[in-house]
Amino acid sequence: EIVLTQSPATLSLSPGERATLSCRASQSVSSYLAWYQQKPGQAPRLLIYDASNRATGIPARFSGSGSGTDFTLTISSLEPEDFAVYYCQQRSNWPPVTFGQGTRLEIK
Amino acid sequence: EVQLVQSGAEVKKPGESLKISCKGSGYSFTSYWIGWVRQMPGKGLEWMGIIYPGDSDTRYSPSFQGQVTISADKSISTAYLQWSSLKASDTAMYYCVSSSYGPAGWFDPWGQGTLVTVSS
Repeated sequence: EIVLTQSPATLSLSPGERATLSCRASQSVSSYLAWYQQKPGQAPRLLIYDASNRATGIPARFSGSGSGTDFTLTISSLEPEDFAVYYCQQRSNWPPVTFGQGTRLEIK
Repeated sequence: EVQLVQSGAEVKKPGESLKISCKGSGYSFTSYWIGWVRQMPGKGLEWMGIIYPGDSDTRYSPSFQGQVTISADKSISTAYLQWSSLKASDTAMYYCVSSSYGPAGWFDPWGQGTLVTVSS
């Protein structure tokens, strides 16, 4: 089973700042990595798939990069609605599909 | 609009059985895999398994194999997740998801979630 490790566990930033979230895989997942956003009381939402492709309707301030074992989600300028929990997910080696443990992005 | 609508919250006792549902609309239900994801209170996301409603091909995570059953009724565009004997540790939010790129795809959209509480 591929383990995804996200860092940091919590990131405290202010609106307008740039956020950089990391996801590291225990073995290569090629580009088969996605990012999801989950707000309190809501279901997760797909942001990025195949490491760098934005899902439909996702603002351009969200971008993904990386391949192999190291991936990054960048939010270029934080909006108030971006404060949430972010999860990465791999589909390279399954079953099972696995998720990271999440990064909580909180307002500083 | 592609939409997954799940059944309502459940409160059950240990040892009871349960079947929750997920109804798809706005797309060809038999053409996409439908999966289930567990989120225990205050915790992260866990992939449980997935089904192709077109032919009922089903795959399970090793962690959930034998613990739950996933099924689908394509005539009413509905997928199911069921337990034969619930435990307190089954208390969680359960999401159904539509998977692109086959059984191991990206999950979009998600259902609104069904909260299952198991308590004596």
